[in-house]
Amino acid sequence: DAKTTQPNSMESNEEEPVHLPCNHSTISGTDYIHWYRQLPSQGPEYVIHGLTSNVNNRMASLAIAEDRKSSTLILHRATLRDAAVYYCIRSNFGNEKLTFGTGTRLTIIP
Amino acid sequence: EPEVTQTPSHQVTQMGQEVILRCVPISNHLYFYWYRQILGQKVEFLVSFYNNEISEKSEIFDDQFSVERPDGSNFTLKIRSTKLEDSAMYFCASAKSRALQETQYFGPGTRLLVL
Repeated sequence: DAKTTQPNSMESNEEEPVHLPCNHSTISGTDYIHWYRQLPSQGPEYVIHGLTSNVNNRMASLAIAEDRKSSTLILHRATLRDAAVYYCIRSNFGNEKLTFGTGTRLTIIP
Repeated sequence: EPEVTQTPSHQVTQMGQEVILRCVPISNHLYFYWYRQILGQKVEFLVSFYNNEISEKSEIFDDQFSVERPDGSNFTLKIRSTKLEDSAMYFCASAKSRALQETQYFGPGTRLLVL
């Protein structure tokens, strides 16, 4: 089972940066780290993914620890529309399905 | 931007009835998936489909479930005889490949309520 550990919930003020942590201490060398989010009453939505190096896209940044046992999703300036459940998922070799945990429920305070 | 679409958005059915949930994946994608989410619970994998065959299925995906790609665009999930516990959101997803770095794109879901 592709195990990751995330806090159940976090809060952040609007327009401030948010750092969402994920622990994946048993990750293997070929596993990618993916982040998806699920806004209320919607399907999961891709956010970002990475292997070893830090990654940036228009939605977020992904900081991956040097030992790859943890990573942090960074939303640079949270808006109310970023309120969602954020899932950190490992992709395993030979296993294409996404295994969702309970994720982190992010609340944005206006 | 291309997106996965699903119909209907909501379906109410009586226990024991057959339902067909429909999905139109992104047009150049080759890998297709169904997931479900019971209210308040995790998103769970049901089945993956490639080249007109099931490539993987979960324990949930028993003989009551089937999938089909009847034409070049639609991907369907059929539940033969619905049970109360089949009530859930059903999400279709598609991907270009099954590479580890590949993104799966999800549809908005069909909310199924079995009475």
